[in-house]
Amino acid sequence: AQKVTQAQTEISVVEKEDVTLDCVYETRDTTYYLFWYKQPPSGELVFLIRRNSFDEQNEISGRYSWNFQKSTSSFNFTITASQVVDSAVYFCALSEARSGNTPLVFGKGTRLSVIA
Amino acid sequence: DTEVTQTPKHLVMGMTNKKSLKCEQHMGHRAMYWYKQKAKKPPELMFVYSYEKLSINESVPSRFSPECPNSSLLNLHLHALQPEDSALYLCASSQDLMGYTETQYFGPGTRLLVL
Repeated sequence: AQKVTQAQTEISVVEKEDVTLDCVYETRDTTYYLFWYKQPPSGELVFLIRRNSFDEQNEISGRYSWNFQKSTSSFNFTITASQVVDSAVYFCALSEARSGNTPLVFGKGTRLSVIA
Repeated sequence: DTEVTQTPKHLVMGMTNKKSLKCEQHMGHRAMYWYKQKAKKPPELMFVYSYEKLSINESVPSRFSPECPNSSLLNLHLHALQPEDSALYLCASSQDLMGYTETQYFGPGTRLLVL
């Protein structure tokens, strides 16, 4: 069974600090996809990244970076020099490619508060 | 353009009312989804349409009735709801189903309050 664990329920940081959001997943499939979404107070889930299980290269996009490690089943997300606009709930999610009926499984989310 | 639009943004309804939520996308996506999200919880999948046909119904009560009139539109008809149905209802779309591995793009949601 697939499962996503985001152990950090809430994190508070001061503006300009770096912060890492943890995501650990469980799957029996060899082919799967991992996602990160941002949900600001307005409610919309904003897509941030999609990574397949065969691509372990880390990715950087501006102040955002992602560290994918299959050995520890983790897909962590780091925000460098955080800003107040980064305040949101961040969801990590997993989908398996094997079964067409497997839904996108979300973690419980991490609420990030960036204080000015 | 990765925009999914939803109307209305807010909705208050009584338990005897009938209302509808609307979702629209013009990205040429062939899969569309309805999710329900309670406060401080992740989204929960309700329905999935693929090529305008209902593909998944996650055991949702019949007081929620989805409809996909065409590939760009997705409606959710509401009737005889309960206060516990109050939530944020999110619509999403993806290029195709492909075992759910395609990226889902979400709309801004409709905040529903049932009195």
